[in-house]
Amino acid sequence: QSALTQPRSVSGSPGQSVTISCTGTSSDVGGYNYVSWYQQHPGKAPKLIIYDVSKRPSGVPDRFSGSKTGNTASLTISGLQAEDEVDYYCCSYAGKYVLFGGGTKLTVL
Amino acid sequence: QVQLQQWGAGLLKPSETLSLTCAVYGGSFTTYYWNWIRQPPGKGLEWIGEINHSESTYYNPSLKSRVTISVDTSKNQFSLKLSSVTAADTAVYYCARVTGSGTYYFDYWGQGTLVTVSS
Repeated sequence: QSALTQPRSVSGSPGQSVTISCTGTSSDVGGYNYVSWYQQHPGKAPKLIIYDVSKRPSGVPDRFSGSKTGNTASLTISGLQAEDEVDYYCCSYAGKYVLFGGGTKLTVL
Repeated sequence: QVQLQQWGAGLLKPSETLSLTCAVYGGSFTTYYWNWIRQPPGKGLEWIGEINHSESTYYNPSLKSRVTISVDTSKNQFSLKLSSVTAADTAVYYCARVTGSGTYYFDYWGQGTLVTVSS
C-alpha cells in the first residue's frame, strides 16, 4: 500500500485558482467515494476541508471544492488568498486501511 | 464541543515502547472510530491504525507487527503502543476521530505529541 501521489508544490497568484491532484488506484481513490482533504498550518493539527470527495464541512469557504475522476481526486481552491499558503493532504479509505498523500505546499505568489 | 486531549512520553531510547493515550471529551464515544496518525518532522501524514468501541482494530500493514491500539470505554480513552522503536519512529503523533458508517473522514484531532527516539 503506497501513499497517494500529490505534487510536492503548486503556486498561484491572489485571486486565481489552483488545483491539487491526488492519484491512487482502483483499490483506494477509485474504489470508494471516501476521499477527504486536510489543510495544515505549521505546528498545527490538520483541519478537514473536504470529505466524501466533494462535501464541505460547516465553516469551510465555498472557495474550496473537490472532485474525482477515476483514480484521481482533485482539490480546487479558487480566489486564492495569502492565508491559503499552507500544506494540503488528501486521504482515502481503502477498505481495511487508510492512505494519505505525501502533501502539497501551496505558494501564493 | 468535541475535544481530543492526548499525552505520553516524548523522549524514548531505541528498542523502548512508545505509549500514548487520548481522552475524548464531548460527543458519543461509542458511535465513532478512533485513530492514530503520525507525521515525521518535515514529512507527510501516515495512518497508524484504528479501534472502535467494540475493540475491533485495523492497523497499517507496515506497522502491524509492532502496534497495539486499545480502548477504555469507561474513561472515553484510547491508547497506542508501538514497540521496538527506532529513530524512524520519531514523529508528531496525533489521535483523531473518524466518522464512519457510510462515510469516512477525520473530523476532530488531538493537539499532537512529539515523540523523539534517540540514544
